[in-house]
Amino acid sequence: QQQVKQSPQSLIVQKGGISIINCAYENTAFDYFPWYQQFPGKGPALLIAIRPDVSEKKEGRFTISFNKSAKQFSLHIMDSQPGDSATYFCAARRDSNYQLIWGAGTKLIIKP
Amino acid sequence: SQTIHQWPATLVQPVGSPLSLECTVEGTSNPNLYWYRQAAGRGLQLLFYSVGIGQISSEVPQNLSASRPQDRQFILSSKKLLLSDSGFYLCAWSQWEGNTEAFFGQGTRLTVV
Repeated sequence: QQQVKQSPQSLIVQKGGISIINCAYENTAFDYFPWYQQFPGKGPALLIAIRPDVSEKKEGRFTISFNKSAKQFSLHIMDSQPGDSATYFCAARRDSNYQLIWGAGTKLIIKP
Repeated sequence: SQTIHQWPATLVQPVGSPLSLECTVEGTSNPNLYWYRQAAGRGLQLLFYSVGIGQISSEVPQNLSASRPQDRQFILSSKKLLLSDSGFYLCAWSQWEGNTEAFFGQGTRLTVV
């Protein structure tokens, strides 16, 4: 019940296309859902995050869609660029807990 | 502003040798501190977290230990490294209250040979 399942494991998208990464969770006590972006040899950095009181959050080309009833959330990258090539992690957390529960990661490659 | 320092960036150690990785945070007080390991092409595995000086919680049994001798210092250690300890080690911190974002260091690439 503590798991966050992320898919796909890897993704190749043409430049200008839409990249979509999905995550699913079981624990309904989770109330914070961030996405992190990691470039090779670097630590992950927060990209965008959402709480379950909204169904969508958009920041520039990045959008989180959240489906509370399905216990799923996804990251959409519009107009994908080669600089977006990185590994993306979803995560979930209860505010009363200190730990983030991480998805396994998605390696995204944007082809020029 | 807050910054997190982690060193060394890369390390090659023989099997059976000791390990000490250090992480310090600046610009904040009483942070939550974390050590993660990331195997090549894999996700993040939480190893240890600390909510205060001397308070360490271990997530998985292993050949490693952690200590927090000062509020903003977190150390990952091993007495005898195994080949399976190779990986990318990441230190992270978050605010102790409210803000739930985790900020990561640049990582240490450890190769045990």
